[in-house]
Amino acid sequence: DTAVSQTPKYLVTQMGNDKSIKCEQNLGHDTMYWYKQDSKKFLKIMFSYNNKELIINETVPNRFSPKSPDKAHLNLHINSLELGDSAVYFCASTGLSYNEQFFGPGTRLTVL
Amino acid sequence: GIQVEQSPPDLILQEGANSTLRCNFSDSVNNLQWFHQNPWGQLINLFYIPSGTKQNGRLSATTVATERYSLLYISSSQTTDSGVYFCAGVNYGGSQGNLIFGKGTKLSVKP
Repeated sequence: DTAVSQTPKYLVTQMGNDKSIKCEQNLGHDTMYWYKQDSKKFLKIMFSYNNKELIINETVPNRFSPKSPDKAHLNLHINSLELGDSAVYFCASTGLSYNEQFFGPGTRLTVL
Repeated sequence: GIQVEQSPPDLILQEGANSTLRCNFSDSVNNLQWFHQNPWGQLINLFYIPSGTKQNGRLSATTVATERYSLLYISSSQTTDSGVYFCAGVNYGGSQGNLIFGKGTKLSVKP
């Protein structure tokens, strides 16, 4: 009965590879997000996705692309991985009124 | 600008002690939440508290929205309370409804 789930939990890969992280929520929420937590633990928004409208934070490189097959899923695809992409990536979701957000367990990405 | 500021950045407590963590937030931030990031990295929802006071066991939180601050109280701290506590609010200045996070308070509870 997990509310927001992510896979994989850990991802270790080589520079230049392409990888995906999956996110699913069973809360019936309408808006989903991807956040990035850097090595200093700072959490920052990357994307939001609501009713097929994607809003991208302007600082996110275009190597990152979210894909939403349906309202319950928002996957993150990353092309040509770089060392600086190493971080923990969190998926989150919220209802229509942007009230309480719920987070997935995070995916720790390490680029070698 | 849009800001969420937390204090103190670090806190070391002896088990059994009480503590207060503070979060100040700017005008375009609202719908405060408190999270605990445990040593395994999970973000645990503690409180959704746009205003008023809530209590959950040894933890309670108060938000005074008119004065742009929120407080998290931890009483009779335990070693399992260790981790990073984040305050975050919805950015109503944009259109995403995303959270703006503070930099966190790192709490270490010693046995």
